[in-house]
Amino acid sequence: AQSVSQHNHHVILSEAASLELGCNYSYGGTVNLFWYVQYPGQHLQLLLKYFSGDPLVKGIKGFEAEFIKSKFSFNLRKPSVQWSDTAEYFCAVNGDYKLSFGAGTTVTVRA
Amino acid sequence: DTAVSQTPKYLVTQMGNDKSIKCEQNLGHDTMYWYKQDSKKFLKIMFSYNNKELIINETVPNRFSPKSPDKAHLNLHINSLELGDSAVYFCASSPGRGGDSPLHFGNGTRLTVT
Repeated sequence: AQSVSQHNHHVILSEAASLELGCNYSYGGTVNLFWYVQYPGQHLQLLLKYFSGDPLVKGIKGFEAEFIKSKFSFNLRKPSVQWSDTAEYFCAVNGDYKLSFGAGTTVTVRA
Repeated sequence: DTAVSQTPKYLVTQMGNDKSIKCEQNLGHDTMYWYKQDSKKFLKIMFSYNNKELIINETVPNRFSPKSPDKAHLNLHINSLELGDSAVYFCASSPGRGGDSPLHFGNGTRLTVT
């Protein structure tokens, strides 16, 4: 079985600060990795994905994530956040035809 | 031209009632899903259908019954609703069999059981 762990439950930061959200997974085989974002009152949208190749992937809105296989991690980063980045962020892993989500991290950006 | 559409958006009902949520996707995807998001925002998969065939059926009470009349539709019927069923239910679709491509989510149906 696969599982996903997100380290931070709630992150509060100011505009222009850097953001890093941790994600670790457990699964013995090949995985596909995703970060989704859910803005207040909206549905989930894909931020970025990793299937293979360069472990540093870039997504929309200036987000990037790095896959470190040895650490079973897929951390999300953004160098300078904006107020509009306030949202819920979900890491997701697929290893057996089923996408499993982490518990989510609430990010609040203060103007 | 909404890609994944769910109806209704809000559903308020009393315990013991039976209700349905409908989902349609116009993306031509082969796989559709139902996810439940609880009050703590935790997302858990409930069901997955690939070309009308049930491929994932998580530990969900049998009061929940998915129906897929064709690959563009996946409806969720809930019998004898309970307070604990209150949540946001998201429908999603993907082109592959499951997980090997990103999911496209609907806007969610907020179910409140009183």
